[in-house]
Order: sequence, then structure tokens, then C-alpha cells
Amino acid sequence: GNSVTQMEGPVTLSEEAFLTINCTYTATGYPSLFWYVQYPGEGLQLLLKATKADDKGSNKGFEATYRKETTSFHLEKGSVQVSDSAVYFCALSDRSSSNTGKLIFGQGTTLQVKP
Amino acid sequence: DADVTQTPRNRITKTGKRIMLECSQTKGHDRMYWYRQDPGLGLRLIYYSFDVKDINKGEISDGYSVSRQAQAKFSLSLESAIPNQTALYFCATSDTSWAGGGNEQFFGPGTRLTVL
Repeated sequence: GNSVTQMEGPVTLSEEAFLTINCTYTATGYPSLFWYVQYPGEGLQLLLKATKADDKGSNKGFEATYRKETTSFHLEKGSVQVSDSAVYFCALSDRSSSNTGKLIFGQGTTLQVKP
Repeated sequence: DADVTQTPRNRITKTGKRIMLECSQTKGHDRMYWYRQDPGLGLRLIYYSFDVKDINKGEISDGYSVSRQAQAKFSLSLESAIPNQTALYFCATSDTSWAGGGNEQFFGPGTRLTVL
């Protein structure tokens, strides 16, 4: 079945450090891939997405490239800020014939950025 | 105003009690979802609905039931709550189109449920 695996957290960085959160997936066909972010006390919100191989999603300085050859969608940011402290979820949506629109989530990675 | 709202935001209850969590949306989306979030497990799908007459079980539906009262309202019930249903519950919505890359879901703020 389809699945998503993220690197375990928590990830603790100093402000302005480089961030990578690894995400790999298993899926049949050609899924769409997403990164969602959950700030403390809030629901999830979409950070970025990519719908086909080699697409790069980007938003708020974050980037992720859909790598079909390595089944990966790693999240990166060149210089993190304290305000980036949150839980990050990688997810996929399988474009099966049933097109249910269901999302399959990874377990989440907590990022803590210290001043 | 928030597009997806959930009530209550927090609830503490006792084992065996019936609990209803409510979700409303103003986005005009047909699809609605209920997830639970547990530390280290991410989000797991409980139920989903494509319209008022189309309700489907997710991966962890046992012990839960749902009602889609209208396009905008989707309620989750715990008929007889048990402690391992203590979790953070999220409602989400999406539209039916793949246009623009498909199936972004919009989440409510969550309900923190504690079952003693």
C-alpha cells in the first residue's frame, strides 16, 4: 500500500541554519506530494506541493523537489527563523481511478529553531 | 472568519460517554474528512464523505460514526468513549477537481479530546 516516511524529530537548529527534512514515499502510479505545516495550537496548512516528477514546490523560502527516481520529496530552507518552529508533515495523494482525494501522511517532524 | 470551524476546541469526558464533535465549512467543498492525530503517528483517516449521501470508512473507523447533515456540516461521534480515543481530531475539506494539482485539503483548528 501507499505510505510516507519522514525523518524522526525533533530537529533543533539555530536561527539562520540550513534545514533539511527528509521524506520518502511508496506509491503506485504517480501521486501528488505535499508538505503541510502545523504551528502550535493550530490546524495543518498547506506549505507547498508538487504534482509530477521533477516539479519543485516552493513557498515562504521552503522548497521541495519531486524526485521519482529516489521516491523522495525532501523539504529544505536555506535560513530558518524562530517563527518556522512547527511540526511538518509530508503527505501524498494517490491519483487512483477512484480519485478519492485521500491524503496519506507521514508521522510528522518537529522543528525547533533557537535564537 | 475561519473557513473550517470545529466545536468544541477542547473536551474532557469519561469512559462510556457519548461525544459529538462538529465541523462546519464555508468553502463550498463537497468533500469532508475526519482525522485523528497521535504523537509519532501523524494523521490517520477516520471517515470521509464526498457528499451528503456518500460516506466512507477510513483506516481507523472502529468506535466512531459520522453524520453529514448538509454539504457544510460533518459530525463525528464516539458512541462510547474509551481512553485510547484521547487524541487531537481534525476536520478537513477539499474540492473534487484535480485542476491546479489536486486535492489540497483545508483543515480546521482541531478538537483536543481527553477520555478519562
